[in-house]
Amino acid sequence: AQSVTQLGSHVSVSEGALVLLRCNYSSSVPPYLFWYVQYPNQGLQLLLKYTSAATLVKGINGFEAEFKKSETSFHLTKPSAHMSDAAEYFCAVSEKGTALIFGKGTTLSVSS
Amino acid sequence: NAGVTQTPKFRVLKTGQSMTLLCAQDMNHEYMYWYRQDPGMGLRLIHYSVGEGTTAKGEVPDGYNVSRLKKQNFLLGLESAAPSQTSVYFCASSHTGFRYEQYFGPGTRLTVT
Repeated sequence: AQSVTQLGSHVSVSEGALVLLRCNYSSSVPPYLFWYVQYPNQGLQLLLKYTSAATLVKGINGFEAEFKKSETSFHLTKPSAHMSDAAEYFCAVSEKGTALIFGKGTTLSVSS
Repeated sequence: NAGVTQTPKFRVLKTGQSMTLLCAQDMNHEYMYWYRQDPGMGLRLIHYSVGEGTTAKGEVPDGYNVSRLKKQNFLLGLESAAPSQTSVYFCASSHTGFRYEQYFGPGTRLTVT
């Protein structure tokens, strides 16, 4: 059965620092993987997705994620944090043909 | 394009009351979903629909019913609300298949007292 684990419910960085949000998944078949972002009092919007093409996926707002099959990971990174990146981030996994399973979320705080 | 809209935005119910949440999308998407979001739990799928006239159970369907009479609308009903159903409810839609991006509405904050 598929599952997703986000390590760290809360991550704090300084403006300009590297952002690293961790996501590990469990899937019996090659999965589809997603990162969504939720700004306060809004719905979720897609940051990026992996669908078995390139293992390094680039998304919006300077974020990217790398699919590592050997580590069953899909960590999200951004080289330089901006104040506007403060939000909650969700990793999600879907085995082919099955509904998305979301992680519990990581809240990113950015300080000046 | 309004995208995905949800009605109402806020609601307070007493235990045992009923209500219907309305979701509408104008993107001609086949798939529609209802999720609930609770602190520290992420999003959990309640019910979903893969096309007009179809519905299916998700991870946490108990206490909820849904209907998809028109392609653009997906209704979520609570027949007898319970305090455990206090949550933020999100509707989403996508093109055919779970591998496609889901577009989310702004959410409905429901409190059951």
